[in-house]
Amino acid sequence: QTVVTQEPSFSVSPGGTVTLTCGLSSGSVSASYYPCWYQQTPGQAPRTLIYSTNTRSSGVPDRFSGSILGNKAALTITGAQADDESDYYCMLCMGSGLVFGGGTKLTVL
Amino acid sequence: EVQLVESGGGLVQPGGSLRLSCAASGFTFSTYWMSWVRQAPGKGLEWVANIKQDGNEKYYVDSVKGRFTISRDNAKNSLYLQMNSLRVEDTALYYCARARYSSSWNAYFFDYWGQGTLVTVSS
Repeated sequence: QTVVTQEPSFSVSPGGTVTLTCGLSSGSVSASYYPCWYQQTPGQAPRTLIYSTNTRSSGVPDRFSGSILGNKAALTITGAQADDESDYYCMLCMGSGLVFGGGTKLTVL
Repeated sequence: EVQLVESGGGLVQPGGSLRLSCAASGFTFSTYWMSWVRQAPGKGLEWVANIKQDGNEKYYVDSVKGRFTISRDNAKNSLYLQMNSLRVEDTALYYCARARYSSSWNAYFFDYWGQGTLVTVSS
């Protein structure tokens, strides 16, 4: 069974840039997996950030961007702010259904 | 404003049943795929099931196939999840989500989420 992989944790300084990645335990992520990214702060429902690799959801600021980097999907946050401190989940569309990664806990400090 | 409000969660014994509901408003419910996504305490997100606009296509994660049934009532703008033969590992916060389908990619994403309803399976 193929697993969607994400870094368990990451830290970034305020104003800095960070790139989170989303890979596969076997194989490469491509646009055909329709990578999506969701942000979740503790006690809150997820918020949709990116879909179809690099399309921002309505109301999402342009400092959030998505891409394919090498064999992984990537979420880049530029000019990190304190309220970006959240869990970030990628999701891929696979033959077996919709599969989330385990999430990356981003700390801004 | 799009709103999704889940209800029906609670404490149930292993092997028991529960029916979750999601009341939708602020959009034309009958024109969207809908989904259930769950999150076990302290864990990540897991997609559970999708249902097409007319209810004629349904998809499930393997771990719930044969036990859970997703359904909808477009006249009532409501989504449901009938959960039978519940297991301890089904304990989670269950989110209702509006799904957007791309026919070009044969793929989905979730654009709106409810606040969730908690299901606890324990003896």
